[in-house]
Amino acid sequence: GAGVSQSPSNKVTEKGKDVELRCDPISGHTALYWYRQSLGQGLEFLIYFQGNSAPDKSGLPSDRFSAERTGGSVSTLTIQRTQQEDSAVYLCASSLAGGLSNQPQHFGDGTRLSIL
Amino acid sequence: SQKIEQNSEALNIQEGKTATLTCNYTNYSPAYLQWYRQDPGRGPVFLLLIRENEKEKRKERLKVTFDTTLKQSLFHITASQPADSATYLCALVKDTGRRALTFGSGTRLQVQP
Repeated sequence: GAGVSQSPSNKVTEKGKDVELRCDPISGHTALYWYRQSLGQGLEFLIYFQGNSAPDKSGLPSDRFSAERTGGSVSTLTIQRTQQEDSAVYLCASSLAGGLSNQPQHFGDGTRLSIL
Repeated sequence: SQKIEQNSEALNIQEGKTATLTCNYTNYSPAYLQWYRQDPGRGPVFLLLIRENEKEKRKERLKVTFDTTLKQSLFHITASQPADSATYLCALVKDTGRRALTFGSGTRLQVQP
C-alpha cells in the first residue's frame, strides 16, 4: 500500500505483559515518529527517528518504553510491564526529510491498546 | 510553560456556512504551523501548512491565517458540508531541539445538513 501501515489495529492485554507495536512507513520517507493519543486528548510525542541519526527519545514517558527502527524502514515500539495508564491509541507517522519542519506528516490509523 | 490551545467544545454549524476554528499558542516561536483533520478511528490527515512570514494560505474551500503577534491561527472552511464533520488539529514545531510536531487537542466540527 501507499500509506503508513500499523499493526495490530487493536491489542488487548493484561497488566504486566509486554507488547510490541509495528509501523511500516511510506517507502522513501526518512523520518518516522511515534505519538500517543489518549481519549479526547491531543497527540503526545514519544520518539522520532531520522535516517541513521540517533533517535530523539525525549518524549518517552518511562524506561518501560523503547523503540527501534531496523534498516531505516520498519519500526517497533515496545512497552514492557504494561500499566493501565498505557491504554491509548499509538500512532505512527512518517515524512520526507524530517529535519525540516515544513514537511507534512503521514499517519497510520494507529494501534488501539487496552490494558486490563 | 508552552501551550497550544484549541476550543475543546464542539462547533456546530449549518451546512453552507463558514466554520472558523481557533488555535492559540503561548511561549512558542514557531516557524511553521500545520492543520490536520482526524476522523474517528483514523490517523490525522495533513491539510495545510503556513509559515511565520505568511499571513494567509488557501486551498480550495480552506483558509488558514497566522498572526504571530496575537499568537493565533484561524482555520476557515467556507461553504461547509456534512462531510467536513471531523476533529481538526493544529500543530507546531515546538523548538529547534525537537523536530516532531506538538499538537493541540483538537476541535470537533459538526456540520448539520
